[in-house]
Amino acid sequence: DSGVTQTPKHLITATGQRVTLRCSPRSGDLSVYWYQQSLDQGLQFLIQYYNGEERAKGNILERFSAQQFPDLHSELNLSSLELGDSALYFCASSLGTSGHGETQYFGPGTRLLVL
Amino acid sequence: GQQLNQSPQSMFIQEGEDVSMNCTSSSIFNTWLWYKQDPGEGPVLLIALYKAGELTSNGRLTAQFGITRKDSFLNISASIPSDVGIYFCAGQFPNTGGFKTIFGAGTRLFVKA
Repeated sequence: DSGVTQTPKHLITATGQRVTLRCSPRSGDLSVYWYQQSLDQGLQFLIQYYNGEERAKGNILERFSAQQFPDLHSELNLSSLELGDSALYFCASSLGTSGHGETQYFGPGTRLLVL
Repeated sequence: GQQLNQSPQSMFIQEGEDVSMNCTSSSIFNTWLWYKQDPGEGPVLLIALYKAGELTSNGRLTAQFGITRKDSFLNISASIPSDVGIYFCAGQFPNTGGFKTIFGAGTRLFVKA
């Protein structure tokens, strides 16, 4: 158990809909990262937050947005969903204070299926 | 932009054999991380490397941060069936106040008992 929690574990929805994925980081971690993993693919970095502020952005679509709240949990919002958005979405957290790298600990993921 | 080439893409080995996989890039990274992912689960950190030339072991696993900072390898000795899974390398580099992480495409390991 990495200490990172994600809800829900599974989500089935229809095209055009909007969903919210939730992540709680490990105790003491200030940074939260979101990744997308499509079937048999690697991990694509979406976005990183540090202590409530956006810190780094990857290949995140405009239909997707995220935020980190004062209690440090984070939500990833996916809107106008398309079939191709079906994937595993992982959240990871790290201390956020290292000067030479961030060891990230991953949650169990949310499996999204868009029908 | 930065890209990682991870190889091999997949490996089919016999229990007891040693395994080697690597990641290379044309870019320099500050940190190399190695993860293992079981089907339907989140990646689990195996080894973190922070300095060029660093060699670190974790049980039967050994990883090295290449001296050029552009590559890293992971070795697994005396493989066992539970080593089956997907192994990912990840490289990190500084990016506007933080670090950006790039993942390799993964090496799928199959171990025959």
